[in-house]
Amino acid sequence: NAGVTQTPKFQVLKTGQSMTLQCAQDMNHEYMSWYRQDPGMGLRLIHYSVGAGITDQGEVPNGYNVSRSTTEDFPLRLLSAAPSQTSVYFCASSLQRGDQPQHFGDGTRLSIL
Amino acid sequence: GENVEQHPSTLSVQEGDSAVIKCTYSDSASNYFPWYKQELGKRPQLIIDIRSNVGEKKDQRIAVTLNKTAKHFSLHITETQPEDSAVYFCAAKEGPNDMRFGAGTRLTVKP
Repeated sequence: NAGVTQTPKFQVLKTGQSMTLQCAQDMNHEYMSWYRQDPGMGLRLIHYSVGAGITDQGEVPNGYNVSRSTTEDFPLRLLSAAPSQTSVYFCASSLQRGDQPQHFGDGTRLSIL
Repeated sequence: GENVEQHPSTLSVQEGDSAVIKCTYSDSASNYFPWYKQELGKRPQLIIDIRSNVGEKKDQRIAVTLNKTAKHFSLHITETQPEDSAVYFCAAKEGPNDMRFGAGTRLTVKP
């Protein structure tokens, strides 16, 4: 099993551009989530999904969209990139719920100029 | 919403000594408390977790204690080794699916 796979690993965008961060898992996990990690602030939940077709907002959802058309994939879309969205983004999954051990991907380092 | 405070932000110990990291949470309904270890440039990895119906859990050199009344939980690492050097994050579940993380503790184990 590859676990949780994120692409790309690095990306540089200009302010106002849009892009999609990809996340896929091959563990048949129902729960998937997106976090951003900023220095000194830990991990903050952006959006999560408890199953295909179901998504919900986390702590910092503004400026991001998600969809969950399949169990395996959970892409994160930046609608109009802003410098404040410069961060490291992690996707994670767990078997069924958020209160179970989460498996993280390797992260995407995103810089917005 | 949930507020998870973590202390200290940095911790330096000699190899072989113990390390203790403490977290407090605000939501009395929280019932799941994981700890993650993150090495530089790597993904966070779960090292131990505890649920609210248990007061203590051990796994070799690592233990976690939970005080529900005081709403705090702690990570204890005994006989520390240089490879324990990393950033450690605590977390607490808020609601059915929302995890809130502490700001992290950078642990350095000096040989």
